[in-house]
Amino acid sequence: QIQLVQSGPELKKPGESLKISCKASGYTFTDYAMQWVKQAPGKGLHYMGWINTQTGKPTYADDFKERFVFSLEASATTAYLQINNLKNEDTATYFCASRFAYWGQGTLVTVSS
Amino acid sequence: DVVMTQTPPSLSVAIGQSVSISCKSSQSLVYSDGKTYLHWLLQSSGRSPKRLIYQVSNLDSGVPDRFSGTGSQKDFTLKISRVEAKDLGVYYCAQTTHFPRTFGGGTKLELK
Repeated sequence: QIQLVQSGPELKKPGESLKISCKASGYTFTDYAMQWVKQAPGKGLHYMGWINTQTGKPTYADDFKERFVFSLEASATTAYLQINNLKNEDTATYFCASRFAYWGQGTLVTVSS
Repeated sequence: DVVMTQTPPSLSVAIGQSVSISCKSSQSLVYSDGKTYLHWLLQSSGRSPKRLIYQVSNLDSGVPDRFSGTGSQKDFTLKISRVEAKDLGVYYCAQTTHFPRTFGGGTKLELK
């Protein structure tokens, strides 16, 4: 069955960086783009952008053009989200999703000094 | 960006009742291929979202036919017949016609 398994929760200080992984299985990884979605505590879903799993080209929504980097390790069927220079407002759960039909379990990121 | 407006923001329902949720978009969601990429998701408490309906009215595998989706262009509705306890959570509409993809603000379905 199709699964997206994300890396575990992160606790970071402002200014630090982190990298979240999303391991896909059960389908051909390069058949579908990988989407990234942010959910701040108690809030709704906020679309971050997507990465083309065939070419590795990322496309970012306007709010995520600075400090956010999507990447792939296609041979490992894994997508990554890197957040640089973390800010308190980056505290959220981050989801990877394929076509919005399949979702990772989410990775909780807490940024606090 | 396409703004997705969902109403109501919350619903209190008794088990067995039927409910409807509205989703209106600021632009037509008909893509150049003629298809309409409007979807409905359910996020149960503490879980990741689950897609229930894709392209307006197509039920995902395993979704009971108590759920139905209708609409066109800019106006869409999700109907849940005979609500069960496992239906509780936050419902989101989502459009993937335009970039960036956007979500409605959510409708929280609670027990009365």
